[in-house]
Amino acid sequence: SFDLTQPPSVSVALGQTATITCAGDNIGSKNVHWYQQKSGQAPVLVIYRDNHRAAGVPERVSGSNSGNTASLTIAGAQAGDEADYYCHVWGDTWVFGGGTKLTVL
Amino acid sequence: EVQLLQSGGDLVTPGGSLRLSCEASGFTFSSHAMNWVRQAPGKGLEWVSVIYGGGSSTAYAESVKGRFTVSRDNSRNAVYLQLSRLTTEDTAVYYCAKGWFSGGWYIGDYFDYWGQGSLVIVSA
Repeated sequence: SFDLTQPPSVSVALGQTATITCAGDNIGSKNVHWYQQKSGQAPVLVIYRDNHRAAGVPERVSGSNSGNTASLTIAGAQAGDEADYYCHVWGDTWVFGGGTKLTVL
Repeated sequence: EVQLLQSGGDLVTPGGSLRLSCEASGFTFSSHAMNWVRQAPGKGLEWVSVIYGGGSSTAYAESVKGRFTVSRDNSRNAVYLQLSRLTTEDTAVYYCAKGWFSGGWYIGDYFDYWGQGSLVIVSA
């Protein structure tokens, strides 16, 4: 199966920029999607097909994908951005990354 | 407004069975793939199963193949997951999730709406 590797945690100062990575073999050739999951809640789509924002997602949230790494970038981080973030691709079956806990300091 | 309302979570003994339900509204249900994704306590998301619009095409994760069965009733706008031969490793919150694409399999598909989750606890 296709493996996706995310850092377990990322910290960012309030108002600064956070980048969460998702590594996979030639992931740049795949469509990467990102979900946000706040504590005790269901996941919510944030970014689809590498860099398209889901409805209601602010412009300060963006995605990119090239080579062996996809990234989710959150500019001007706010307390409300604290959550777990998961990348997601089709790799013969649906595959999720292990998730990254974003902490806003 | 798209809504996915789940039911059926429970406490089950090892070796037991359970059926989860997910009732959909707000979209043309029969046109979309429906997925099941689970999350063990304190762990990440794990894709479990998919059933495509017509109901005849399905797929499963290796960890549940032969034990879980996905089905759908397009007349009731509902998708089901039958869990059998349960082990403690199956303890998780189970989510149903709607595929965005209106059609069959599509490499660019993604999960645009999720249910609220159903907790399944497998314990003696």
